Amino acid sequence: KNEVEQSPQNLTAQEGEFITINCSYSVGISALHWLQQHPGGGIVSLFMLSSGKKKHGRLIATINIQEKHSSLHITASHPRDSAVYICAASEYGNKLVFGAGTILRVKS
Amino acid sequence: DAGVIQSPRHEVTEMGQEVTLRCKPISGHDYLFWYRQTMMRGLELLIYFNNNVPIDDSGMPEDRFSAKMPNASFSTLKIQPSEPRDSAVYFCASSTGKGSGRNSPLHFGNGTRLTVT
Repeated sequence: KNEVEQSPQNLTAQEGEFITINCSYSVGISALHWLQQHPGGGIVSLFMLSSGKKKHGRLIATINIQEKHSSLHITASHPRDSAVYICAASEYGNKLVFGAGTILRVKS
Repeated sequence: DAGVIQSPRHEVTEMGQEVTLRCKPISGHDYLFWYRQTMMRGLELLIYFNNNVPIDDSGMPEDRFSAKMPNASFSTLKIQPSEPRDSAVYFCASSTGKGSGRNSPLHFGNGTRLTVT
């Protein structure tokens, strides 16, 4: 069993839809990261959180430490949101354990 | 801020050859990480440095892999001899932990796509 599991593996949405990607982890963590990888291959850090909720534009990340679960939400999705979204758990410092990623495609 | 700079972007080499990947972290960042990404295994941490000192190299697959950070602005990942199963995208990332190992966002380079034939 992977230490960090994401669902769904693949997600197709229509433009404008509300999107949720889930991440469950089995390790004790000091922080949870959400990363975005575009088709060109570059990786961008979207959020790093250890409690509660963070918001940046149309993106919202939440974490429930007791349940060892985090979610990434995208409101009013757009084709440019199409990317791979990766959840990563930091057991200590910045040593990350990665989920397998969720491939998101938003159709116009 | 130029971001994390990796070179080369693409490398194609023959089995048995030595490969050197290079990384320049963001100025002022004291953590540097080397990751490998493959279709089968996703992203994996190979090694990371704090203040130029290797802290954890447990992810380095074999003795054929070595990494150095001679100064705060440069790191290399070397594979000698290379094998076809080393084909992957290798990412370098840096962050600032302010010397305490605290969590902070990672900044990734664009990666080096290595193909070993």
